[in-house]
Amino acid sequence: QSALTQPPSASGSPGQSVTISCTGTSSDVGGYNYVSWYQQHPGKAPKLMIYEVSKRPSGVPDRFSGSKSGNTASLTVSGLQAEDEADYYCSSYAGSNSCPYVFGTGTKVIVL
Amino acid sequence: EVQLVQSGAEVKQPGESLKVSCQGSGDSFTNYWVGWVRQMPGKGLEWIGLIYFADSGTRYSPSFQGHVTISADKSISTAFLQWSSLRASDTAMYYCASTMNGKTYFDYWGQGTLVTVSS
Repeated sequence: QSALTQPPSASGSPGQSVTISCTGTSSDVGGYNYVSWYQQHPGKAPKLMIYEVSKRPSGVPDRFSGSKSGNTASLTVSGLQAEDEADYYCSSYAGSNSCPYVFGTGTKVIVL
Repeated sequence: EVQLVQSGAEVKQPGESLKVSCQGSGDSFTNYWVGWVRQMPGKGLEWIGLIYFADSGTRYSPSFQGHVTISADKSISTAFLQWSSLRASDTAMYYCASTMNGKTYFDYWGQGTLVTVSS
């Protein structure tokens, strides 16, 4: 299982949108609609932001949205706010007989 | 709502053994999976493995198979991650996370346990 590929960083000004990609293979991202996204602020535990590609848990602002095309999933943060500055990780179900999940490499979102 | 509380930070020497815990509350954990995640200093998240509370079945990432052991005690809703012989490279923050069986995402996370291995 190889880590999913994310860009190291992405940035935008307050109010703008930023989109983060998460590229895998047909064995993980492309094979299942089971991509989730986690936000992690420095020194804090990860927090679930998106599950099953595009669903938002209760309490997550609708500024966060997810999508998928082929082997690449994406997270879009619209109307960027200062508190959105954090690391973001995608994760996909991989259907393996070993640990069936794989994380992305992580993207730091910088609010300019 | 489920809450996961992890044991406190540990400082160990190479070669020592260690067992860290993750106790759940707020729901019956019989139908839950608990996963363990490693985050080395300044690095990303990595899945170590999972345990299913109903039958203590485990699944390990190939990178960690054989070096760590995941176990659980249903009677106290607690999952464990243990090492028999720590290495300096095990220095990291370790998180537990839970999901109900049938889900494919982890909606509850522990606060993390920092493990430092140094001579």
